[in-house]
Amino acid sequence: QQPVQSPQAVILREGEDAVINCSSSKALYSVHWYRQKHGEAPVFLMILLKGGEQKGHEKISASFNEKKQQSSLYLTASQLSYSGTYFCGTEYSSGTYKYIFGTGTRLKVLA
Amino acid sequence: EPEVTQTPSHQVTQMGQEVILRCVPISNHLYFYWYRQILGQKVEFLVSFYNNEISEKSEIFDDQFSVERPDGSNFTLKIRSTKLEDSAMYFCASLRGTNTGELFFGEGSRLTVL
Repeated sequence: QQPVQSPQAVILREGEDAVINCSSSKALYSVHWYRQKHGEAPVFLMILLKGGEQKGHEKISASFNEKKQQSSLYLTASQLSYSGTYFCGTEYSSGTYKYIFGTGTRLKVLA
Repeated sequence: EPEVTQTPSHQVTQMGQEVILRCVPISNHLYFYWYRQILGQKVEFLVSFYNNEISEKSEIFDDQFSVERPDGSNFTLKIRSTKLEDSAMYFCASLRGTNTGELFFGEGSRLTVL
């Protein structure tokens, strides 16, 4: 039941863009994105609830497809501070408040 | 800014011993969680707790584990008869309970079982 993220890892130069995908075999109620820096706790980035929704600002944004089985996180003009592991957190049913995290994507931004 | 606090930050124990990990969630939050992360790997859901009882639990959360909220503020995870494979970072998280869905995580308790 765990959502699958792709790619598993990505290395970028500062200023480059990246897309991280989170895919589920069945429809999700909601998806959230978290970033975890090495040795630290995950930190919430954003939540998407509606199919077709896009959210965020110009640097970090996310989308949720119409079928609510896939979400993508877009990192544009990456900065060194973007380095970390990104997880999608998924809720399969409304009101369960049970969040299952995806497999994770390690992102490293080089100067 | 309110935060989730966890103690201890690191605990070393011998295989077979019992450990208790403690968490103080954010005071007006309603849902509490324990997650486990083996070094460098995925964040695994263990259990959620609401209204003084377990709301959801994973297959990992077997009879070896238990949770309690003994005094209305602390939220504890007890691991009985620890095994080598229990070595991991254990994160407590809390959720206000609205559709914001923002889990607030503590800094984690690193458990090392020797």
